Amino acid sequence: DTEVTQTPKHLVMGMTNKKSLKCEQHMGHRAMYWYKQKAKKPPELMFVYSYEKLSINESVPSRFSPECPNSSLLNLHLHALQPEDSALYLCASSPPRPTSYGYTFGSGTRLTVV
Amino acid sequence: AQTVTQSQPEMSVQEAETVTLSCTYDTSENNYYLFWYKQPPSRQMILVIRQEAYKQQNATENRFSVNFQKAAKSFSLKISDSQLGDTAMYFCAFGSGGGADGLTFGKGTHLIIQP
Repeated sequence: DTEVTQTPKHLVMGMTNKKSLKCEQHMGHRAMYWYKQKAKKPPELMFVYSYEKLSINESVPSRFSPECPNSSLLNLHLHALQPEDSALYLCASSPPRPTSYGYTFGSGTRLTVV
Repeated sequence: AQTVTQSQPEMSVQEAETVTLSCTYDTSENNYYLFWYKQPPSRQMILVIRQEAYKQQNATENRFSVNFQKAAKSFSLKISDSQLGDTAMYFCAFGSGGGADGLTFGKGTHLIIQP
């Protein structure tokens, strides 16, 4: 299995809602990443988990809360989002010491905040 | 911290032509990896080609090849015999060899292949 699976593919939520994005991989990768991508812009790194521990938080607002319950699963909990948070959210995984073969991306969740 | 610069926001070529996308980067690291990713309208990030910094030989994958100039910190992508399906955003990306720091992306080049 060489895939990173993200669910849901599309999500529309109100500013008072609580929702979660899910990412799963079964490649044995021990590093997982959340990126945010606005239209016509490059992906921006949000969080990095290495061996299920949060290793990088790129000053992301607290309305985004990541969670890594096990080595295969990564969640992003969303609460009280703003319309400007509407974006494509990409998950990726890699070995803990990435090689040139290491980075695999999911197909993303398209989030719309209304 | 490393930076990646793509100076061509958009390029347009005719089908079957050869096109070169430029990328420069800046880093103080000696062990790193460079990538070109393609993102079509579906927005799936697709790895096109990869290069290890310690290898002098330029990477090649079918119609795609790179010109890696380590001293100049340049990493350009050449697409030969371009096809309509090559139309996409192309991102140059830097990956540290030292640990799981994620990828640093350039701003991207929107490549349009005209029929």
